[in-house]
Amino acid sequence: NAGVTQTPKFQVLKTGQSMTLQCAQDMNHEYMSWYRQDPGMGLRLIHYSVGAGITDQGEVPNGYNVSRSTTEDFPLRLLSAAPSQTSVYFCASSFGGLTNEKLFFGSGTQLSVL
Amino acid sequence: AQKITQTQPGMFVQEKEAVTLDCTYDTSDQSYGLFWYKQPSSGEMIFLIYQGSYDEQNATEGRYSLNFQKARKSANLVISASQLGDSAMYFCAMRGPGAQKLVFGQGTRLTINP
Repeated sequence: NAGVTQTPKFQVLKTGQSMTLQCAQDMNHEYMSWYRQDPGMGLRLIHYSVGAGITDQGEVPNGYNVSRSTTEDFPLRLLSAAPSQTSVYFCASSFGGLTNEKLFFGSGTQLSVL
Repeated sequence: AQKITQTQPGMFVQEKEAVTLDCTYDTSDQSYGLFWYKQPSSGEMIFLIYQGSYDEQNATEGRYSLNFQKARKSANLVISASQLGDSAMYFCAMRGPGAQKLVFGQGTRLTINP
């Protein structure tokens, strides 16, 4: 019963490098999302998806791409890493988008961009 | 637009005392959900409690209760008989209709002293 699995847990990049943060869930959730957590700012939504083939931008989408080819997977791509993208990234999912549905979170990825 | 405000950056409480963490919210929606999450030093996000905007009674989950005052737009978390393991970051969050994201407050760092 894995829930939401994120990889890697830690990553160090150089400015300009690209990488993909992986997220997979085994709960058959339709809704998946990516958040970033910065000190003093809580969690902010980057991108989200309401089902396979459907994605949309959140509050802070610049510099990130997503795709949703399957229900289970929702990878986050950093196109050209910048120091401002140093953050902790969380993937989260829920069965649907109702107001009473809590999000299940992955364990997070700590990313440093030098 | 939805907004969550947590005005207490940090709180220090003696073990076994009750503690109230403040949360105010702003929304024009009639239907919404309010959530509290705990983030211990290990970094994972743990769901604590949920309150729906139409719920007439305050939510309770073990030692956690939510003091919901709709007219004042507040959703304070009350932890009874605090324990050392309650030391963590606490986030208040809201999900509205269309429900595509959870909006988070900045968080409150709670420290329980022995």
